[in-house]
Amino acid sequence: KAGVTQTPRYLIKTRGQQVTLSCSPISGHRSVSWYQQTPGQGLQFLFEYFSETQRNKGNFPGRFSGRQFSNSRSEMNVSTLELGDSALYLCASSLGPGAETQYFGPGTRLLVL
Amino acid sequence: KQEVTQIPAALSVPEGENLVLNCSFTDSAIYNLQWFRQDPGKGLTSLLLIQSSQREQTSGRLNASLDKSSGRSTLYIAASQPGDSATYLCAVISSGSARQLTFGSGTQLTVLP
Repeated sequence: KAGVTQTPRYLIKTRGQQVTLSCSPISGHRSVSWYQQTPGQGLQFLFEYFSETQRNKGNFPGRFSGRQFSNSRSEMNVSTLELGDSALYLCASSLGPGAETQYFGPGTRLLVL
Repeated sequence: KQEVTQIPAALSVPEGENLVLNCSFTDSAIYNLQWFRQDPGKGLTSLLLIQSSQREQTSGRLNASLDKSSGRSTLYIAASQPGDSATYLCAVISSGSARQLTFGSGTQLTVLP
C-alpha cells in the first residue's frame, strides 16, 4: 500500500504570495491532519479533516486554511505569506476519528523569501 | 493545556549500548501516546503506539512503556546501531482533543560506530 504523499516537496515563495499544498492519504484512510514544523516552535497542529469536514483547528491565523475532498485528499492554503511561515508542513492520515496510529508523509518544505 | 517534554535534548552513545529516552506530559487524561522517528529533512515514521489502557508496547529492539498516572513514557532501544541515529519524538492525544497530537521537542540520538 502506498504511503502518504505530499506535493510539492519543495517550494520557494516571496512574502505576500499565497501557496497551496496537497496531501494524498493512504488508501482507505479518511482522516487527514496537518502540522507545521519549525526549529523554534517544533511540531504544531494546524487542522484535522474527516469526511470533508474540519473537525479541529490549531492556534494559527486565518491565513491558514484547508479543505478535504470526497476522495479524502486534502489541501492547505496559506495566503499573504510571511517570512515566519517558512517551515516543513507535514500531513498525516489515519483510518478515521479515534485513537489510531497516524501515518505521516514526507512533508513539503516551504521557504518564504 | 497539555505540554510534552523530552529529556535529554541530545544523546550520543557508542554502538551496541542499550539506551532509554524519556517523555513526560502534564495532563494524564490521554487517549494514547505515540513514539516517532524523524530523519533529517524527512517526515515522521511511527514506531510504537500505546493506548491509555496499556502499559507497554514492543517492536523488535524497541520497547515503549507508559505510566499515565505519573505522566511518563520511556522508549527503550536495545543494542543500538548507527542506523538508529535520528530524532525521536513522542506525542500524545489528549482526551477530548479530537485527535490533535501534542509533540515534545524530541531527542536527537547519535549512535557512534
